[in-house]
Amino acid sequence: QVQLQESGPGLVKPSETLSLTCTVSGDSISSNYYWGWIRQPPGKGLEWIASMHHSGNTYCNPSLKSRVTISVDTSKNQFSLKLTSVTAADTAVYYCARRESGRPAPLQHWGQGTLLTVSS
Amino acid sequence: QSALTQPRSVSGSPGQSVTISCTGTSSDVGAYNYVSWYQQYPGKAPKLMIYDVTKRPSGVPDRFSGSKSGNTASLTISGLQAEDEADYYCCSYAGIYTFWVFGGGTKLTVL
Repeated sequence: QVQLQESGPGLVKPSETLSLTCTVSGDSISSNYYWGWIRQPPGKGLEWIASMHHSGNTYCNPSLKSRVTISVDTSKNQFSLKLTSVTAADTAVYYCARRESGRPAPLQHWGQGTLLTVSS
Repeated sequence: QSALTQPRSVSGSPGQSVTISCTGTSSDVGAYNYVSWYQQYPGKAPKLMIYDVTKRPSGVPDRFSGSKSGNTASLTISGLQAEDEADYYCCSYAGIYTFWVFGGGTKLTVL
């Protein structure tokens, strides 16, 4: 059974770059799936951020595209999210998740989430 | 403001049925049969309950069912149980430029 675990700094200052990592166990990140990020501001709904296949195929939320970089590290079986120029509006629980490739499949497997707070 | 519109809250008594609506547009819900529903307990990650409008993943009780008419998708929970009390989110594929949009979530209270 695949498991995903997010990790990050917990606190980032405004205007800085947010960096999060998702470590995958129970499956290879080089398998035929899309790996992605979703966030949820406190008390609010979910927002899809971006998804990536190990082949390099990447999809990103148009509203965040200019600030988002998503990458895969096959040697560590991890994938990462970088979000630049953060503001308080980026404070959220960030989830990593996996979905099948080949079609618009749902997010079947999720990490437990990590809270990222933007504050000076 | 979320792309898909859900009621903020619904409620029902044990044993009853409730339906949660998810209204989008002809560019997302109305255009594709790729609507999914997620259940989320406080402090926990979302769990996939319905995908491709009507399909249930293995392990999800058949009390949960999905449907769609036009630009509105619906999640119906029959035979309500106390454990169904949670937040529910819909999600739809929205094409090759927008990709995925979520609803704002609906809090289900079991009375």
